[in-house]
Amino acid sequence: RKEVEQDPGPFNVPEGATVAFNCTYSNSASQSFFWYRQDCRKEPKLLMSVYSSGNEDGRFTAQLNRASQYISLLIRDSKLSDSATYLCVDPGYSTLTFGKGTMLLVSP
Amino acid sequence: DAGVIQSPRHEVTEMGQEVTLRCKPISGHDYLFWYRQTMMRGLELLIYFNNNVPIDDSGMPEDRFSAKMPNASFSTLKIQPSEPRDSAVYFCASSLSAGGGYGYTFGSGTRLTVV
Repeated sequence: RKEVEQDPGPFNVPEGATVAFNCTYSNSASQSFFWYRQDCRKEPKLLMSVYSSGNEDGRFTAQLNRASQYISLLIRDSKLSDSATYLCVDPGYSTLTFGKGTMLLVSP
Repeated sequence: DAGVIQSPRHEVTEMGQEVTLRCKPISGHDYLFWYRQTMMRGLELLIYFNNNVPIDDSGMPEDRFSAKMPNASFSTLKIQPSEPRDSAVYFCASSLSAGGGYGYTFGSGTRLTVV
């Protein structure tokens, strides 16, 4: 059974800070993952994919460590609009398995 | 593209009543998924369809829950009779694949409250 574990947080950071979340997974065969973002009372939306080579999109950097079976998401220069819950997702071979998410609160 | 469309956005019903949730997937997406989200359990997959055919319904909690997809552009999730523990946000999502690299596009969800 696939499992994805995340620290629920919340992570409270000031604007401009750098923050990182980790996510551990149980399916050793998984080779790529997703990070989704979910705003309060909204639907989850795809943020970025994560591969063995890592992925960077502006202020966001995602890394995959297959040896230790964890994924990380780094957010630099945090904005107020980054406040949300970040869900780690294992696509696996069948359907997507979602972690419960890590809540980020960015304050002025 | 209008995205995945769900209705209603909010539903408040009394215990024992029938509840029907509706979903229109993105045109061209062959896969449709129904998820339930609660604080305690996070996002749980209830059932998914491929080309209108149910593939895996192992996540459906019990016989009170049923789902149909009569055509490529419409699906329903029905709860009969509803119970207070069914209160949750129900999301429909669609995709070009079940797993792998495409990800899923979610609808705005139906917030169900059973009193």
